[in-house]
Amino acid sequence: AQSVTQLDSQVPVFEEAPVELRCNYSSSVSVYLFWYVQYPNQGLQLLLKYLSGSTLVKGINGFEAEFNKSQTSFHLRKPSVHISDTAEYFCAVKGQGGSEKLVFGKGTKLTVNP
Amino acid sequence: ETGVTQTPRHLVMGMTNKKSLKCEQHLGHNAMYWYKQSAKKPLELMFVYSLEERVENNSVPSRFSPECPNSSHLFLHLHTLQPEDSALYLCASSTRQGGTDTQYFGPGTRLTVL
Repeated sequence: AQSVTQLDSQVPVFEEAPVELRCNYSSSVSVYLFWYVQYPNQGLQLLLKYLSGSTLVKGINGFEAEFNKSQTSFHLRKPSVHISDTAEYFCAVKGQGGSEKLVFGKGTKLTVNP
Repeated sequence: ETGVTQTPRHLVMGMTNKKSLKCEQHLGHNAMYWYKQSAKKPLELMFVYSLEERVENNSVPSRFSPECPNSSHLFLHLHTLQPEDSALYLCASSTRQGGTDTQYFGPGTRLTVL
């Protein structure tokens, strides 16, 4: 089975500052990794995913994440945030098996202040 | 209409009521999912349907009853709910269950049980 730990429940930052949202996972098998974003009163939207290949993954809205197998991490970064990036961000992991479930972290609430 | 839609967006019901949540996907996918999102808890997978057959039931109480009449529609029938069932219920779909397939989410139904 897999598990996900998002180390920060809330991250406040100022507009145009860089941000990193941390995600660590645990798994006995190789994994696929995902970041989703949830804006207020909306469902989850896929930001980016790591399936294989390059460990640096670029997603929508200027976000990127780096898969680090040795540290079992998949941290999300953006060099300069906007007010509109205020949302909740969820890291998720799926084991590389036929029917492995998508397991989510508890989420990180990013608040961008002017 | 595109993507994954859910109706109603908001629902208030008493503990003795019977109601149904509806999900429809317009993506040509073959797998559909129900998740429960409660405050301060990770997303909980409730049910998975693949090719209209239920393949996963995560120990969900029988007061929740899913139905998948075809690959585009998914229902969650509710009866004699408890106040602790109040949550955001999210529907998702993917090309197939398992593997690298990405799950796409609907906007959710905010359920309040009085």
